[in-house]
Amino acid sequence: EIVMTQSPATLSVSPGERVTLSCRASQSISTKLAWYQQKPGQAPRLLLYGASSRATDVPARFSASGSGTEFTLTISSLQSEDFAVYYCQQYDNRPPWTFGQGTKVEI
Amino acid sequence: EVQLLESGGGLVQPGGSLRLSCAASGFTFSTYAMTWIRQAPGKGLEWVSGLSAGGDATYYVDSVAGRFTISRDNSENRLYLQMNSLRAEDSAIYYCAKNSGTIALREVFDSWGQGTLITVSS
Repeated sequence: EIVMTQSPATLSVSPGERVTLSCRASQSISTKLAWYQQKPGQAPRLLLYGASSRATDVPARFSASGSGTEFTLTISSLQSEDFAVYYCQQYDNRPPWTFGQGTKVEI
Repeated sequence: EVQLLESGGGLVQPGGSLRLSCAASGFTFSTYAMTWIRQAPGKGLEWVSGLSAGGDATYYVDSVAGRFTISRDNSENRLYLQMNSLRAEDSAIYYCAKNSGTIALREVFDSWGQGTLITVSS
């Protein structure tokens, strides 16, 4: 099983700041990496996939990069609606597909 | 607009059974793989099971293999999860999710339902 590790666990930021979240895979997953956003009481939402492609209707302030075992999600200028928990997920090769433990972005 | 609506959750005793259902609309259900993902209260996300569009390929996380069965009815646009021999550690919100592709392999989950809560307790 591929273990996904996210850092930091919690990020305290102010609106307008640039935010970078990290995700590391226990083995190479090429670019088979997705990012999801989950707000309190809501289901997760797909943000990015293929390590850097934005999903439908995702604002351009969200970007991602990486390959192999190291990945980052960047929010260029944090908006109030971006305060949430962000999860990375690998989907390389075969199941089980695994998620990181999440990074909470808080005010 | 893709809509996924889960039902069937509730309180069940350890060792009991429950069947979850997910009603899908807004897309051609029969051409997409589907997935169940769960989230224990206050915890992270765990992939549980996936099913190909045609229903011929199934995948399970080891902790539920042999106890849970995923299935679908493409004529009714419904996804199911039959859960047997339930344990306390199965307590979670169960989300139905639409895959980005057909085969349930190397795909992302591009739409999610709101989830249904399962509590396993005596």
